[in-house]
Amino acid sequence: NAGVMQNPRHLVRRRGQEARLRCSPMKGHSHVYWYRQLPEEGLKFMVYLQKENIIDESGMPKERFSAEFPKEGPSILRIQQVVRGDSAAYFCASSPRQGSGSPLHFGNGTRLTVT
Amino acid sequence: AQTVTQSQPEMSVQEAETVTLSCTYDTSESDYYLFWYKQPPSRQMILVIRQEAYKQQNATENRFSVNFQKAAKSFSLKISDSQLGDAAMYFCAYRSGAQGAQKLVFGQGTRLTINP
Repeated sequence: NAGVMQNPRHLVRRRGQEARLRCSPMKGHSHVYWYRQLPEEGLKFMVYLQKENIIDESGMPKERFSAEFPKEGPSILRIQQVVRGDSAAYFCASSPRQGSGSPLHFGNGTRLTVT
Repeated sequence: AQTVTQSQPEMSVQEAETVTLSCTYDTSESDYYLFWYKQPPSRQMILVIRQEAYKQQNATENRFSVNFQKAAKSFSLKISDSQLGDAAMYFCAYRSGAQGAQKLVFGQGTRLTINP
């Protein structure tokens, strides 16, 4: 049973370009979460999605960032017009159902470097 | 809003010895969950141990155990018989028990070094 799959593992973008990060949840999981980790810091919540719905985006920057989890295919975190401050590791996690006790399963993250 | 604080940026321990990592949190809720995650250099986030706030008994997983002090809002992790493979960043995390609550709130992390 494959875990949470994120790709690419590393992504380099120049300032002003777009970054698209992909996340395929574990089989049978319909809840996806995105977190951002700046160097030497803990993970910060960005957004929580179920299939075709954004449930909580309270951690998403108001501009340039968007996320989707379509009916078919992976969840996508999209960052438009990237800036140096967007350089970070972006983690996706999934869970099988709603419920605070369900543990989150994390992917290995995508390290975004903006040059 | 809930906060999680790890006051030890770095810790080190001799192989085979025991080490305790500290974590405190702030919340007004009575129902919640607490977690310890391990992040080795591979960057993967690995769940180490989980504690339900309504359970008085401290959770244990092999060499890993917690000291959960609800009144003090403290949730420390004890690693017994430390092994070289335990070297990693360790993150304490909080999750509300409210219906629909999903997001984890993480502490800043503690970097654990194991000395051979």
